[in-house]
Order: sequence, then structure tokens, then C-alpha cells
Amino acid sequence: AQSVAQPEDQVNVAEGNPLTVKCTYSVSGNPYLFWYVQYPNRGLQFLLKYITGDNLVKGSYGFEAEFNKSQTSFHLKKPSALVSDSALYFCAVRGSSGNTGKLIFGQGTTLQVKP
Amino acid sequence: DTAVSQTPKYLVTQMGNDKSIKCEQNLGHDTMYWYKQDSKKFLKIMFSYNNKELIINETVPNRFSPKSPDKAHLNLHINSLELGDSAVYFCASSHTLRGDTSETQYFGPGTRLLVL
Repeated sequence: AQSVAQPEDQVNVAEGNPLTVKCTYSVSGNPYLFWYVQYPNRGLQFLLKYITGDNLVKGSYGFEAEFNKSQTSFHLKKPSALVSDSALYFCAVRGSSGNTGKLIFGQGTTLQVKP
Repeated sequence: DTAVSQTPKYLVTQMGNDKSIKCEQNLGHDTMYWYKQDSKKFLKIMFSYNNKELIINETVPNRFSPKSPDKAHLNLHINSLELGDSAVYFCASSHTLRGDTSETQYFGPGTRLLVL
């Protein structure tokens, strides 16, 4: 069965410091991995995805994520956090074989960036 | 120009009522989805339609009935609303080319349903 785990309910960082939001996954076949961000009372906004190729994926707003097949991880990173990055972040996975496009989401990680 | 739109944004209703949520996308996508986000922010897929055909139907009470009149619209009708139906419902869409499911899903702003 496909699953995604975000081990931290909340991540706190100071503005200007690097941030990491962790994600691990379990899927049959090759994974399609996604990160979304949800601001308060808003919908989900797509940040980036890994399909194939380079393990380091760059996305919107200066975010990037590194796919690590051996550790089955897809951690979200940003070199220098902004207060405006404070939001709820979701990791999601889809298997590449025999599926209908169903996205499985992690439980979400709240990122708090303090000035 | 809104890519994926939902109406209404807020819906407050009494138990036992029947209500509908509408979703429209102007991205030219052929696949549309409904997700439910509960009070703990957990997101789970409910339904998916590809070219007006139901392709995902998760374990959802049959009080929930999706309808896709065309590729650009996917509506969600809920009969006999219950307190536990209170949640945020998100519509999403994506392009599925020849069964390739790597395409990004784009989400609407959500409909906040409160059942009293």
C-alpha cells in the first residue's frame, strides 16, 4: 500500500536560516513525489515534483527537494527562510504503475518562521 | 483568471439537508478530483473522473454522489448531511496523457462545509 509520512507536526526556524521539512514514502514501483503548500483558509498550491531524472528538484518560491531512493525520502528544503513561508506543507506520492492518479498525502507539517 | 474554482466557498447547513458543491476548471484538463480535508488537516481523495468517467471511488458513503456533466465540471452532491460531513472539500484537476499519472494536480480554493 502507498503511504507518506511527515514525521514532524511542526517545524520552527528563524528567518534567514535554512529550513527542512521531512517526508518519507512507501510505494510500489517508481514514485511520483509532490510538495504542496497551504496558506490559512486557502487551497493547496503546487511547489514542486519529482518524476524522474536529477534527484534535486527546484520549485517555486526558492524551495527545492531532494529525492533519495535508498532512504525513500523527499525532504523539502530552502536555504534561507522567510516569515512569509509560514504555512502548512504537504508531501504527496503517486505510484507509477497500475494506479489511477490517486495522490496519497502525508499528514502535513506546519512551518513557523519567526522574525 | 481562476484555474480551478469552487462554489460556494462557505456552506453552513442543518443536519439532514441535501447540498451541492460545484467545481469548474479552465485549464483544459481531462481529469478532476474531490478531496476531503478533515479538522486535523488530513487530506484524502474521495472521487476522480477522467473524461466524465468515474475512475476512483474511495470508501465514501453513498450519500455522496459526484456528477460530471462535462470535462470542465465536477460537482459533488451530498444527501442527508451529517455532523461528521463538516470539513473542507477541495476540487482538483490534472491532465492525464495516455494513462501517465505524473501530471500535477491543481487545487481549487476549497469549500468549507459546516453541518449544524
